[in-house]
Amino acid sequence: DIQLTQSPSFLSASVGDRVTITCRASQGISSYLAWYQQKPGKAPKLLIYAASTLQSGVPSRFSGSGSGTEFTLTISSLQPEDFATYYCQQLNSYPPLTFGGGTKVEIK
Amino acid sequence: EVQLVESGGGLVQPGRSLRLSCAASGFTFDDYAMHWVRQAPGKGLEWVSGISWNSGSIGYADSVKGRFTISRDNAKNSLYLQMNSLRAEDTALYYCAKDRLWSGVGAFDIWGQGTMVTVSS
Repeated sequence: DIQLTQSPSFLSASVGDRVTITCRASQGISSYLAWYQQKPGKAPKLLIYAASTLQSGVPSRFSGSGSGTEFTLTISSLQPEDFATYYCQQLNSYPPLTFGGGTKVEIK
Repeated sequence: EVQLVESGGGLVQPGRSLRLSCAASGFTFDDYAMHWVRQAPGKGLEWVSGISWNSGSIGYADSVKGRFTISRDNAKNSLYLQMNSLRAEDTALYYCAKDRLWSGVGAFDIWGQGTMVTVSS
């Protein structure tokens, strides 16, 4: 099975900061990667699929890049509503469709 | 409005069974693959099982293989998860999720609010 390692697992940042989260796959997954945002008590929300395609309705301050084994999610200017936990997911090798361990973004 | 509503969760003893349901509305259900994802209290997301649009392709996580069975009824716009031989480690919030594609590898663009399953004596 493909393992996904997210870093950091915890991030403290201020409103307006540029934030980058990394997701590394244990083997190449081409561009078959998605990113999700989850707020406390809520279901996850799809932000990006195919590594860099922004889901409809997601603000343009979110962007994704990478291919193969290394991927990044960038928030260009962190907003108050962006404080949440972020997960990556690989969709190259099925089953299983594994998730990363998550990155919690908190207010500094 | 596009919506997924899960039901069927609850408190169950170890070794017993439970059947989860997910009612879909607001989209053409039989055009898309569907999945179950779970989240143990305070933990991350774990994909449990997925099924293609016509039930022709089904997959399971190793942790539930042989115990859980996914199915769908396109006429009823419904997804199901039959869970047998439940264990304490199956305790989690179970989400139903819609795939972007018919095949099952398109990312999950719609999620329900989840139904809680607690396995305890």
